[in-house]
Amino acid sequence: DQQVKQNSPSLSVQEGRISILNCDYTNSMFDYFLWYKKYPAEGPTFLISISSIKDKNEDGRFTVFLNKSAKHLSLHIVPSQPGDSAVYFCAASVTGTASKLTFGTGTRLQVTL
Amino acid sequence: GAVVSQHPSRVICKSGTSVKIECRSLDFQATTMFWYRQFPKQSLMLMATSNEGSKATYEQGVEKDKFLINHASLTLSTLTVTSAHPEDSSFYICSARDPEQSQPQHFGDGTRLSIL
Repeated sequence: DQQVKQNSPSLSVQEGRISILNCDYTNSMFDYFLWYKKYPAEGPTFLISISSIKDKNEDGRFTVFLNKSAKHLSLHIVPSQPGDSAVYFCAASVTGTASKLTFGTGTRLQVTL
Repeated sequence: GAVVSQHPSRVICKSGTSVKIECRSLDFQATTMFWYRQFPKQSLMLMATSNEGSKATYEQGVEKDKFLINHASLTLSTLTVTSAHPEDSSFYICSARDPEQSQPQHFGDGTRLSIL
């Protein structure tokens, strides 16, 4: 039972354009959401997070949007840079579960020149 | 920032061997660490939550006798894959959370385990 889903396994975007990565979840108990970036043979690196009391959080080139009614979140990267090429995972947790994370399957982003 | 170190990065061994993987928090104390497993092109699946000084909490379907977890200090958790078989080949990653920070989990670089 995949409670967090990333339906696009890959995405290719031209440098300078916007990258939009999507994530859907089914568990309505999730109230904290995160995006991680992962390079091959390395562990995930935290990018940005959002609490369910907000619908938007911005940090530099990265913005996360949360639509609770649709159980959907998205990560926007603008402008996209070649160094952004990696696999992006969204993750979700329930407050009070000692930060236990449920991950999506990941989206491989390729930023082309 | 918080750093988590995982060792070894890669292990290749024969079937039946037991393999120990270490996870260390280098600049903070972690009362809780997490062990994940990732199959190719799949998600990171939480295996267990490692609690300092007490027994680990395993996720449903994870054999606790197969995957032994020890969290003997506030900076070290170990995962031992006992009598490993080819189906145990996977990418194992640990993470830890610095309770002094509001930031989420920090991950190690993972261990690629290959059982021949």
